[in-house]
Amino acid sequence: TQLLEQSPQFLSIQEGENLTVYCNSSSVFSSLQWYRQEPGEGPVLLVTVVTGGEVKKLKRLTFQFGDARKDSSLHITAAQPGDTGLYLCAGGSSGGSQGNLIFGKGTKLSVKP
Amino acid sequence: EAGVTQSPTHLIKTRGQQATLRCSPISGHTSVYWYQQALGLGLQFLLWYDEGEERNRGNFPPRFSGRQFPNYSSELNVNALELEDSALYLCASSLYQNQETQYFGPGTRLLVL
Repeated sequence: TQLLEQSPQFLSIQEGENLTVYCNSSSVFSSLQWYRQEPGEGPVLLVTVVTGGEVKKLKRLTFQFGDARKDSSLHITAAQPGDTGLYLCAGGSSGGSQGNLIFGKGTKLSVKP
Repeated sequence: EAGVTQSPTHLIKTRGQQATLRCSPISGHTSVYWYQQALGLGLQFLLWYDEGEERNRGNFPPRFSGRQFPNYSSELNVNALELEDSALYLCASSLYQNQETQYFGPGTRLLVL
């Protein structure tokens, strides 16, 4: 069974601080997605990474896929209150032949002004 | 371009009843996925449909079923509702050839009393 462990589960920081969220597994994934979810809404796709070692930047957010494609990280620089939300990582497997994504349980981020 | 839409937004049922949830994918997407997000459990994969056929299902009992219509919209049916079925039900869609990049709708909040 493929599992994705996210850490930390909860993170409460002040505006302007930097933070990193981790997503780890013992399994290899063909791709890794990061989503952000607001309470009562569906997850919004932030990025997809597919190549081991790949780094993608989205304004103040930096995403990295591990060389072995078993882990990923999300780094936020100078966090703002608008970054508050639940961050979910999701792994795709078998080249997508099974269709489903494997989700971590999420990191709940709170950025205080 | 419209995103994934779901209806209803909220649904209240009593134990033993049946619930029907609906989803319309992004235009051009043929694959539809259903996930359950229960408190504390993260997103769990339910079903994957493409071109009107069920392609894969997660580890859920047969009372969770669905179908996909010729216009690629989809229905999720939950029979003999149990209290533990209370959750946010999320629908996602993708292109068949890019199953690992899934876009989610806002969800249907199901409450079973």
